[in-house]
Amino acid sequence: QQQVKQSPQSLIVQKGGISIINCAYENTAFDYFPWYQQFPGKGPALLIAIRPDVSEKKEGRFTISFNKSAKQFSLHIMDSQPGDSATYFCAALTGNQFYFGTGTSLTVIP
Amino acid sequence: DGGITQSPKYLFRKEGQNVTLSCEQNLNHDAMYWYRQDPGQGLRLIYYSQIVNDFQKGDIAEGYSVSREKKESFPLTVTSAQKNPTAFYLCASRKNRGTYGYTFGSGTRLTVV
Repeated sequence: QQQVKQSPQSLIVQKGGISIINCAYENTAFDYFPWYQQFPGKGPALLIAIRPDVSEKKEGRFTISFNKSAKQFSLHIMDSQPGDSATYFCAALTGNQFYFGTGTSLTVIP
Repeated sequence: DGGITQSPKYLFRKEGQNVTLSCEQNLNHDAMYWYRQDPGQGLRLIYYSQIVNDFQKGDIAEGYSVSREKKESFPLTVTSAQKNPTAFYLCASRKNRGTYGYTFGSGTRLTVV
């Protein structure tokens, strides 16, 4: 059973557009929600993270929106650039274990 | 600079052979993890260890083994019992307490030949 459901599986966005990736969860014990960015042949790197007592966190062009009542959180990439083309994973932490979404392959077209 | 080092970057295994993937960290992290990544399936947990000399099975431990003799090292052995070992393997570490993310290594791509 997938603990964290991520959508869409793939996304194509024009340069300068907004990329939006969504994740949903059921386990209310999750208390930390990071997003990871992975380039081909590389390990994932922590991009941005949020705790459930905050509804939004912004770092540069990247924003996490968190809806605790709906048990959903999303990643928004503003002014998307070709260099943002990568696979993005959402995750959720409970105890010492993370549960990952299945990933979204983002392609930003110049 | 602190980080996680995985080696080798590419590894080829013959049928019936055991191979060991190396993972070393100098972050002084307590916990270490091994994930397998296949296209379209995200990251699946193989084994994890929260302290030295102790480790637990993840979701897909069959055909794999690990050891944690030192805090810095968490090698993964892919045994001949793993029937479909071709994948990208990722090692990660984190502090045990608090809400911290993983630090990942750069991965090892294992191919059966």
